[in-house]
Amino acid sequence: QVQLQQSGPGLVKPSQTLSLTCAISGDSVSSNSAAWNWIRQSASRGLEWLGRTYFTSKWYNDYAPSVKSRMTINADTSKNQFSLQLNSVTPEDTAVYYCARATCTSSFCQGWFDLWGQGTLVTVSS
Amino acid sequence: EIVMTQSPATLSVSPGGRATLSCRASQTVSSNLGWYQQKPGQAPRLLIYGASTRATGIPARFSGSGSGTEFTLTISSLQSEDFAVYYCQQYINWPRTFGQGTKVEIK
Repeated sequence: QVQLQQSGPGLVKPSQTLSLTCAISGDSVSSNSAAWNWIRQSASRGLEWLGRTYFTSKWYNDYAPSVKSRMTINADTSKNQFSLQLNSVTPEDTAVYYCARATCTSSFCQGWFDLWGQGTLVTVSS
Repeated sequence: EIVMTQSPATLSVSPGGRATLSCRASQTVSSNLGWYQQKPGQAPRLLIYGASTRATGIPARFSGSGSGTEFTLTISSLQSEDFAVYYCQQYINWPRTFGQGTKVEIK
């Protein structure tokens, strides 16, 4: 079955870049039947969708307005994974970060998230 | 962005009892609504999509209803494994947004 395995550091200093990776098994990051998302959860902001990447003839990315200027999602087809980079972090970015899948048809992607990674607690602190 | 408001914040229910959770959207989301269950230390799990369609493997005691701005998740005959936090999520607009959650606890 399809699984998502997250990796990355649990501690990041303020003003630095948060980087996480989500490795996919049982599916392909370049599949045209899935969009790959990042979602975070904190006590102050709850569950917050951050962005997604998906491939349909070419790569597309969408980001939440709250992080758009600081966030990049990249796909690595050689490793079958996708990653999150969040620049200029502050303590407000402290959260559990999840990768998640939304399934897609040939013409659109579903809006719900049917598969999640295990979560990574990232603390922003000096 | 669409604000999702869940009530109550906490619901105390006896095992075998019935739980009714509410979710309200700040503007219409039609039937573009999902429900998730989250247990401590775990990722959310999809229960319902399309406001009323159970996801694969979800027991029939979970049911969803509603459309527009008012939605309900009902758990009939609560089992021990159902005590958790439940979230609603809209997906008619970007960004996707979640409610703040309802905790279902043992009475």
